[in-house]
Amino acid sequence: QSVLTQPPSASGTPGQRVTISCSGSDSNIGTNSVNWFQQFPGTAPKLLVYSHDHRPSGVPDRFSGSKSGTSASLAISGLQSEDEADYYCASWDDSLNGWVFGGGTKVTVL
Amino acid sequence: QVQLVESGGGVVQPGRSLRLSCAASGFTFSGYGMHWVRQAPGKGLEWVAVISHDGTNTYYADSVKGRFTISRDNSMETLSLQMESLRVEDTALYYCARAVGLTFYFDSWGQGTLVTVSS
Repeated sequence: QSVLTQPPSASGTPGQRVTISCSGSDSNIGTNSVNWFQQFPGTAPKLLVYSHDHRPSGVPDRFSGSKSGTSASLAISGLQSEDEADYYCASWDDSLNGWVFGGGTKVTVL
Repeated sequence: QVQLVESGGGVVQPGRSLRLSCAASGFTFSGYGMHWVRQAPGKGLEWVAVISHDGTNTYYADSVKGRFTISRDNSMETLSLQMESLRVEDTALYYCARAVGLTFYFDSWGQGTLVTVSS
């Protein structure tokens, strides 16, 4: 059972907007930066969004992050077939004195 | 560019030890904290440990506390993870990742080294 809660799956057709939620608590998302990672099968995770809503250079602006209270969201606009991947949220937890991840969300492009 | 290359994985019996390494290049290693993150086969990501840029601060996941030790050699630009009393549930692909602040984010990952704990 992950400390951060994500839906196991999400899907959409090409061009649609898909949103992935990440629910936490005051000790993690409520207080600290939320980060999102993208992972394709057999490859290392890649940073997609950091500090709730910042994108590293090279990440398309179709990906956007937001945070409200103890929850965060990752939105993928204009969904493309190459966006099929697993997505993870993560945050530092002040109570655990460590990082916590969500269980991951598999995005499928229909 | 940032490059992180893990090594040291393998098959080990329960209760035994193993030491992982992560060779860093392409950036000023001594200026960054470093993480270990693992992923069991077919499962999600699990954070293992983090060490500050100078090695003075370390934090561990409860699942490995007291068994694993993270360390670094800034002169050799190498990160290590000493794993003791290994359990079957420690079987995973172990990634090292560069930290931007200990609590902000990780921005670069290696390709991982596989540890299999089995009798």
